[in-house]
This record gives sequence, structure tokens and C-alpha cells, in this order.
Amino acid sequence: GENVEQHPSTLSVQEGDSAVIKCTYSDSASNYFPWYKQELGKRPQLIIDIRSNVGEKKDQRIAVTLNKTAKHFSLHITETQPEDSAVYFCAPGRFQKLVFGTGTRLLVSP
Amino acid sequence: DAGVIQSPRHEVTEMGQEVTLRCKPISGHNSLFWYRQTMMRGLELLIYFNNNVPIDDSGMPEDRFSAKMPNASFSTLKIQPSEPRDSAVYFCASSPPAGMNTEAFFGQGTRLTVV
Repeated sequence: GENVEQHPSTLSVQEGDSAVIKCTYSDSASNYFPWYKQELGKRPQLIIDIRSNVGEKKDQRIAVTLNKTAKHFSLHITETQPEDSAVYFCAPGRFQKLVFGTGTRLLVSP
Repeated sequence: DAGVIQSPRHEVTEMGQEVTLRCKPISGHNSLFWYRQTMMRGLELLIYFNNNVPIDDSGMPEDRFSAKMPNASFSTLKIQPSEPRDSAVYFCASSPPAGMNTEAFFGQGTRLTVV
């Protein structure tokens, strides 16, 4: 089956710093690359996604970059704020089947 | 729209009992997913349906688990008999038909505790 790994598993930063989370996957047929954010006790929610024909996408303070050749994509958060503290999941997929990564716990300290 | 609706929100049951989790997807969505979340195993896809038909059930852990989608607005996940290791948060999600891969909208989840 698909292997999806995220690094790091935990990340602590100071408010205002940047944070980068990397996701590696094994299924070369994956063509959809979303990132989900899950706050404590809440449901996962999509924050940004990218498709295989695009190398980078940005939405305000968050961005996703894709390297299909190397089979990895990354989430970049700039000017982090305490409300960014959550668990972030990548979920590479195809044909609507999303396989979630192991998750990265981000803690932003004021 | 009220979003994906799951019931119950919490369920506590004794080992050996049958448990049924329910999900109402967003109207107009044609794909429905059941996920299980635990600290040890993360967020696992159990099964997903497209147009009410099960497409991939390879994530269903064993025969004690079964899922149905009798119509476009309702799905169930049943565990019979339940075991303590089934304790987890079970999420249902749905996605619309636009494009090959689209956003999955999650319900609030059902926290299952088997004692």
C-alpha cells in the first residue's frame, strides 16, 4: 500500500518564525496533494492543496511546494501565530482516495 | 448546509456488543469516506463509497467491521462484536463530484469507547 511519512513529527517555533513540514510518499500515481489542519478535539480541515501539474501554490501565509520527481511535497507557514498550533496532515491521493500521513504537531509559542 | 453529520458524538459500550455509527453526507456529494483515528495508528481510511457503491474496503480491519450506504444521504459503519482495541474516533467525510480529487469535508466524529 501507499507509504506516507511526515517530518518532523513535532515542531516548536516562536511566534513570527517560519515552519516547514515535509511529506514523502511512495505512490507515483498520486496526483493530488492536500494539507489538512486538525486542532485539538476538532475535525481535520483542508487548508491548502496542489495538483500534480503545478509546482507551487500560495495562500496568504501558507504555501505548498511539490517535487513529483522526488515524491515529496512541503507545507510552509510564514509569520506563525499561536492559532497555527495544531496537528498538520498531508494526504496525497488519486481518484479521491486520500492516504493521510502520520501528522506533525506544531506548537507556536507567543 | 449543516455539513457532514455524524451520530452519536460519543458512544460507550461493553466488549462484545454491536455498535452502529451513522453518517449523513453533505447534499450533492457523491463520495463518502470512513476514517478511524487513534494515537498509535493516526488517521486510517477504512472504506470509501462512490455513488453509494463501495470502491475500496481494503482498510477495513477485519470481518467484525462492515459498512453500508443504502442511499446517497446515509451511511452506517457497524462493529460486531466490539472489542476494546476498537476504541477510537471515527470520522465520516464526503466530497463533491467536481474533478478527480477534491476536498474531503469531515464530520465532527464519533468517539467510541469499548470497555
